[in-house]
Amino acid sequence: AQSVTQLGSHVSVSEGALVLLRCNYSSSVPPYLFWYVQYPNQGLQLLLKYTTGATLVKGINGFEAEFKKSETSFHLTKPSAHMSDAAEYFCAVSGGRNNNDMRFGAGTRLTVKP
Amino acid sequence: SQTIHQWPATLVQPVGSPLSLECTVEGTSNPNLYWYRQAAGRGLQLLFYSVGIGQISSEVPQNLSASRPQDRQFILSSKKLLLSDSGFYLCAWTLMGYGYTFGSGTRLTVV
Repeated sequence: AQSVTQLGSHVSVSEGALVLLRCNYSSSVPPYLFWYVQYPNQGLQLLLKYTTGATLVKGINGFEAEFKKSETSFHLTKPSAHMSDAAEYFCAVSGGRNNNDMRFGAGTRLTVKP
Repeated sequence: SQTIHQWPATLVQPVGSPLSLECTVEGTSNPNLYWYRQAAGRGLQLLFYSVGIGQISSEVPQNLSASRPQDRQFILSSKKLLLSDSGFYLCAWTLMGYGYTFGSGTRLTVV
């Protein structure tokens, strides 16, 4: 079974500062890992995903994440926050291609201060 | 390209009334389909998923049910709504090995 823990339900950064949203996972098989973003009253949008291969993955809107197997982590980063990045972010894990077992973290709300 | 449609966007229903939320997918065949609920300030709770027509798996026992009458249609229903059924309902689809694509959601308020 898979599970995800997102550290910090709320993160606040200043505009232009580094964004770091933390995600740790647990999986009994090689995981597929995902980050989603949700704006108010909207569905979730895929930011990026790791399946196999290169451990540093780049996504939309300047976000990237690095898969670290030794640390069971998949933290999301962006060098410089923009006001439009304010949203809820969800980390998710599935047990490989059979992603009927995908599990989502509780979410991290990112606030960007001017 | 693939698209997912979910409606209605908002819904206010009295306690004890029935519910029917519909989700349809275009541009793909035999997708896996999912219903999630997101309560205020909480994460996503998987309610049902389906790997094919008529095949429904339930994750959480409750007064909701789901049906998949056609390959690209997924319906969430209830015979009698409870106050606790209020929330944001999301439909999603996926093909093996890819991330989920979510609909725009339905905000359900039970009064």
